[in-house]
Amino acid sequence: AQRVTQPEKLLSVFKGAPVELKCNYSYSGSPELFWYVQYSRQRLQLLLRHISRESIKGFTADLNKGETSFHLKKPFAQEEDSAMYYCAPLQVSQKLVFGQGTRLTINP
Amino acid sequence: GAVVSQHPSWVICKSGTSVKIECRSLDFQATTMFWYRQFPKQSLMLMATSNEGSKATYEQGVEKDKFLINHASLTLSTLTVTSAHPEDSSFYICSATWGGLAGGNEQFFGPGTRLTVL
Repeated sequence: AQRVTQPEKLLSVFKGAPVELKCNYSYSGSPELFWYVQYSRQRLQLLLRHISRESIKGFTADLNKGETSFHLKKPFAQEEDSAMYYCAPLQVSQKLVFGQGTRLTINP
Repeated sequence: GAVVSQHPSWVICKSGTSVKIECRSLDFQATTMFWYRQFPKQSLMLMATSNEGSKATYEQGVEKDKFLINHASLTLSTLTVTSAHPEDSSFYICSATWGGLAGGNEQFFGPGTRLTVL
């Protein structure tokens, strides 16, 4: 079964500092991976997907097949980045498998 | 675009009663809808996958007779919690997708429904 691990339940950094939210997955083949974000009192929403190779709100995520990782990074954290972040690989059946999530807090 | 709504946003019911939760895609036709359950401070757990016009596919450990799912149209799926008990109290979230590569495999999430069973 496909698994995803987000080793940090909580992550706290200061505004302006770099941020890295870790995600490791177990999957054979070419996975499609997503990062979803949930801001306070809002619904879950897509942040970015690896196939797009895009930067959203300053965040990027590179798929490293050798390390089976899909870490989310941002060079300079902002207070509005405080949220719950979920890494989610897509199964062949079109189902998302959510990691346990990392609560990111940006301190002023 | 791509808005998903859920109704009700919260519900309180007595033990033994049934509760229906609706999930609607407001501005697109959803070929597939998903139902998740989220316990406090935990991640989303997929309960079932619902395709329009066919029976839902339930995840292992999810009782299909307990959680009835109907996806009668491309914009509406319902989850009915039958004979609810306090342990069914949770946050239920639906998502919808128009599916496949054309839709980018993105799921659009509803705001969730808080169920409390007394």
